[in-house]
Amino acid sequence: SAVISQKPSRDICQRGTSLTIQCQVDSQVTMMFWYRQQPGQSLTLIATANQGSEATYESGFVIDKFPISRPNLTFSTLTVSNLSPEDSSIYLCSVENRGGTNEKLFFGSGTQLSVL
Amino acid sequence: GENVEQHPSTLSVQEGDSAVIKCTYSDSASNYFPWYKQELGKRPQLIIDIRSNVGEKKDQRIAVTLNKTAKHFSLHITETQPEDSAVYFCAAYDTGTASKLTFGTGTRLQVTL
Repeated sequence: SAVISQKPSRDICQRGTSLTIQCQVDSQVTMMFWYRQQPGQSLTLIATANQGSEATYESGFVIDKFPISRPNLTFSTLTVSNLSPEDSSIYLCSVENRGGTNEKLFFGSGTQLSVL
Repeated sequence: GENVEQHPSTLSVQEGDSAVIKCTYSDSASNYFPWYKQELGKRPQLIIDIRSNVGEKKDQRIAVTLNKTAKHFSLHITETQPEDSAVYFCAAYDTGTASKLTFGTGTRLQVTL
């Protein structure tokens, strides 16, 4: 299984600022995903990040609010910009390993964001 | 797109009893169905998964069944223990086109002594 390091684990931010979340994987992976989990809710996909191309955003999520970088096959960042209290959530990166039959999806430890 | 429904939203069982969580999906192209367990404050952890070419899979006290015709799959936990208490999420995924993993709404399982 892939080992995913995600940081920060938690942060408290002021309204109007931005937070950048980093996700580092111990192996090269083709696809990385960013999810949001609002309090008491399920996981919602924000975007899919592929190396060398722009991220693909799901309905309701836009690049200006959630810019994503994917500079190589082991790293990605998600920025949550112009923060408001409604952005208070857990943000999770996830990776898919499509090598052979090992098509599993693993999650980072998550970033708990609180916006004041 | 895919839509996954999950029931019940909360489930309380006594220790030693069985727990069953059910999910339905809408996209017939989905062919991979993982189940995740999320303890409070922690990341979701894969506990079992099933592919569309299999009808049932078992791992110790946990089993998953899949009915592709009816587009539903279920998680069965036998001999429940207090440490099984968590939120469980089902999901559906089309590994062929690498579409997104769509999650169910979650089931909060409480195992009481």
